Amino acid sequence: AQSVAQPEDQVNVAEGNPLTVKCTYSVSGNPYLFWYVQYPNRGLQFLLKYITGDNLVKGSYGFEAEFNKSQTSFHLKKPSALVSDSALYFCAVRDINDYKLSFGAGTTVTVRA
Amino acid sequence: NAGVTQTPKFRILKIGQSMTLQCTQDMNHNYMYWYRQDPGMGLKLIYYSVGAGITDKGEVPNGYNVSRSTTEDFPLRLELAAPSQTSVYFCASSSSATEAFFGQGTRLTVV
Repeated sequence: AQSVAQPEDQVNVAEGNPLTVKCTYSVSGNPYLFWYVQYPNRGLQFLLKYITGDNLVKGSYGFEAEFNKSQTSFHLKKPSALVSDSALYFCAVRDINDYKLSFGAGTTVTVRA
Repeated sequence: NAGVTQTPKFRILKIGQSMTLQCTQDMNHNYMYWYRQDPGMGLKLIYYSVGAGITDKGEVPNGYNVSRSTTEDFPLRLELAAPSQTSVYFCASSSSATEAFFGQGTRLTVV
């Protein structure tokens, strides 16, 4: 069975500091990996994805993520966080040979001014 | 291009009532999904579908039913609503190598 773990419920950083949100996954085969962001009372917005190719993936709003197959991780990063990055972040995985899409429990990011 | 459209946006149900949450997409995506999100929690997969006539149970299917008669539509049926089904419901669609596109959600309260 596939699964996603986001080990931190909350991440707090100061504006201008680097932001990292952790994600590890488990699938039978090779993964498709995704990051989404959710602002209060809104739907989910897509940030970035790893399908194949370069392990470092760049996405929207200055976010990037690195796929690490040996550690089964796909951590989300931003070099310099903004107060407006405060939101709920979800990691998701799908096995390339299946179509079930599973989400992690989410990490609440708070960026203080 | 509307993307994924969910109706209604809000609904209050009485215990024991039934309703159907509508979801339609205009991107010709084969894959469609229903999730629920409880307050302060993550997304739990209810049902999903790879195409017309094919559906699979997710993590929390009890109390729900789905059908997929067309590529575009994936309605979610709640039978005998219970307070535990109070949640925000999200529908999503994708193709084989794309990200999932989400609707804006249906906020359901069962009283």
